[in-house]
Amino acid sequence: QVQLVQSGAEVKKPGASVRISCKASGYTFTSYYVHWVRQAPGQGLEWMGIINPSGGSASVAQKFQGRVTMTRDTSTSTVYMELSSLRSEDTAVYYCARVGGGYNSFDYWGQGTLVTVSS
Amino acid sequence: DFQMTQSPSSLSASVGARVSITCRASQSISSYLNWYQQKPGKAPKLLIYAASSLQSGVPSRFSGSGSGTDFTLTITSLQPEDFAAYYCQQTYSTPWTFGQGTQVEIK
Repeated sequence: QVQLVQSGAEVKKPGASVRISCKASGYTFTSYYVHWVRQAPGQGLEWMGIINPSGGSASVAQKFQGRVTMTRDTSTSTVYMELSSLRSEDTAVYYCARVGGGYNSFDYWGQGTLVTVSS
Repeated sequence: DFQMTQSPSSLSASVGARVSITCRASQSISSYLNWYQQKPGKAPKLLIYAASSLQSGVPSRFSGSGSGTDFTLTITSLQPEDFAAYYCQQTYSTPWTFGQGTQVEIK
């Protein structure tokens, strides 16, 4: 069955970086784009960007450009999202999600990774 | 960017009730509109894609309608497990924006 399994919770200090992994299984890794979405405590969903696991190309939302890097490792079927220059407002649950539904919908999601930014 | 506006932001309803949530796009997005359900502490779950297509495994009491700028998610005969947050999402143009969410609560 299709699964996206993310790395565990992180606590970081302001100014640090965090890298979150999202390991895919149950499907052909290179055949489906993966997105990253975050959700601050008690807030809605915010789209961060997309990566093509086949070629590795990525597109990041303007808000995060310069701070977010998306990469992938085809040998382990894993995508990564690194967020740098962390600030308290980056405290959120970060999700990876596969584009596999019709009309670019996200049919499978990771379980989420809580990143807490605190001094 | 395409702005997505959901209404209401929250609602209270009884089990068995019919509930509708609307989502309005700032520009036409054709039928590139998806609906997700999210329960506390869980990842969102895809309910409806392409404005009106039911995702596999989703109960038929969920339905979607609309095109262009105005969309509706309808839940007929609300069940206890349907109390959750619901989000619309446009995938017509990046950034793929979400509505602010609608919390459906037990009355």
